[in-house]
Amino acid sequence: GEEVAQTPKHLVRGEGQKAKLYCAPIKGHSYVFWYQQVLKNEFKFLISFQNENVFDETGMPKERFSAKCLPNSPCSLEIQATKLEDSAVYFCASSQKGATNEKLFFGSGTQLSVL
Amino acid sequence: GEDVEQSLFLSVREGDSSVINCTYTDSSSTYLYWYKQEPGAGLQLLTYIFSNMDMKQDQRLTVLLNKKDKHLSLRIADTQTGDSAIYFCAEDTGRRALTFGSGTRLQVQP
Repeated sequence: GEEVAQTPKHLVRGEGQKAKLYCAPIKGHSYVFWYQQVLKNEFKFLISFQNENVFDETGMPKERFSAKCLPNSPCSLEIQATKLEDSAVYFCASSQKGATNEKLFFGSGTQLSVL
Repeated sequence: GEDVEQSLFLSVREGDSSVINCTYTDSSSTYLYWYKQEPGAGLQLLTYIFSNMDMKQDQRLTVLLNKKDKHLSLRIADTQTGDSAIYFCAEDTGRRALTFGSGTRLQVQP
C-alpha cells in the first residue's frame, strides 16, 4: 500500500488482558519502527525491524512487550497482561532502506486504553 | 545521554511568523527533524537538517541550527490557521531510531 496502515484505531482492554496491535508498512519498505506516545506527548522508541529481523530493541520493555514482523503478514506489537501505564498511542513507521536521512512514514496510530 | 527539550505552547496571530525552539544534548546527532502532528493523526515530516548545515529554507519554513549551543529552531512565515498543530523536533544519532522532544503546541489565532 501507499501508506502505513495501523489497526485497530482504538483498542480498549481491562487491566491484565492482552493487547495486540498491527502495522502494515508501505510496500517495498524494509524497515519498521514502533513508537509509544504517552499523554505528555513524549514519543518513546520501542523497537525496529529490518524485514523480519529485529534491528534495534533497546526501547522495548523487558517484560510483557513483544513484537514480530513475519513475511507476508502485518507486523505486530503485543502486550501481555496490560497495565494502566500502557495506555498510550502506539505509532508504527516505515522506511525503505532505514538510512539516517530517509523519510519515515508514520501511520495514524492505535490508541490503547487500559481500564 | 539523549534529551530533547521544547517549550510547551506558542500562540501567534494569523499572518505573523512563528518560531519554535528546541534544544538537544547529544552532540553526535547527525540529522535533526521537525514533525507536525494534527489531532488524531500521525506524524508528518516537515523538514530536516543535516548537522553540518546551519540553515535550511523550504518555502515558508526556515530551520536554523546552532550546533555549538545544540539549539534548533523552526520558523514558519505567514502562519495560517491550518498550521495549528503540535510540532516535534527529533534527533537521529545514527541508530535509525529518533529521539523526540515533548512537542510544542502552536495555536494560530485568526
